[in-house]
Amino acid sequence: GAVVSQHPSWVICKSGTSVKIECRSLDFQATTMFWYRQFPKQSLMLMATSNEGSKATYEQGVEKDKFLINHASLTLSTLTVTSAHPEDSSFYICSARQGSSGANVLTFGAGSRLTVL
Amino acid sequence: AQKVTQAQTEISVVEKEDVTLDCVYETRDTTYYLFWYKQPPSGELVFLIRRNSFDEQNEISGRYSWNFQKSTSSFNFTITASQVVDSAVYFCALIPIAAGNKLTFGGGTRVLVKP
Repeated sequence: GAVVSQHPSWVICKSGTSVKIECRSLDFQATTMFWYRQFPKQSLMLMATSNEGSKATYEQGVEKDKFLINHASLTLSTLTVTSAHPEDSSFYICSARQGSSGANVLTFGAGSRLTVL
Repeated sequence: AQKVTQAQTEISVVEKEDVTLDCVYETRDTTYYLFWYKQPPSGELVFLIRRNSFDEQNEISGRYSWNFQKSTSSFNFTITASQVVDSAVYFCALIPIAAGNKLTFGGGTRVLVKP
């Protein structure tokens, strides 16, 4: 079945540094990937839609300069949290869809837990 | 706009009991898909089921069963004879087949199965 790999699983960084999280579709090409953020005991909140070869579409309230998304290839999307601060600490999850139809099941990565000290 | 409501935030049961998770959704789209995902403590979301809006047939998969009632906009999920390994957060989600194709999640229901 479809597999999405997310790396790193855990990252601890100092305030002010930038952190890059990778999301790879291992056995399929994903023209669209999605980035979610999840606070403890809460649901997943869509941050942005990443489209291969074009700019990401950000949800309302998500700072595009803060959360840089790059979808360089059909199998890789990256999320960079720039100048991270403690309030950026969260669980970030990516997902990828094979094909363009919304009927296609989203495959999720295992998530990346970011802790900013 | 879409909305998915999971009224139960947490359910605690003893092993072998049945547990039903409620999911109510709102959408103006006539064509949409509904999903259930499981999120164990490890964090990864595991796909459980997809149902399109034109298929109201209930489904059973092992100890899992789903009841889709379009008339009440509900897509409930039942775990029969629960096991400790079923302990997780379960999310109901909706995606319209209109432009945008964004998956909207419910708030999730945390299921704790005690031995």
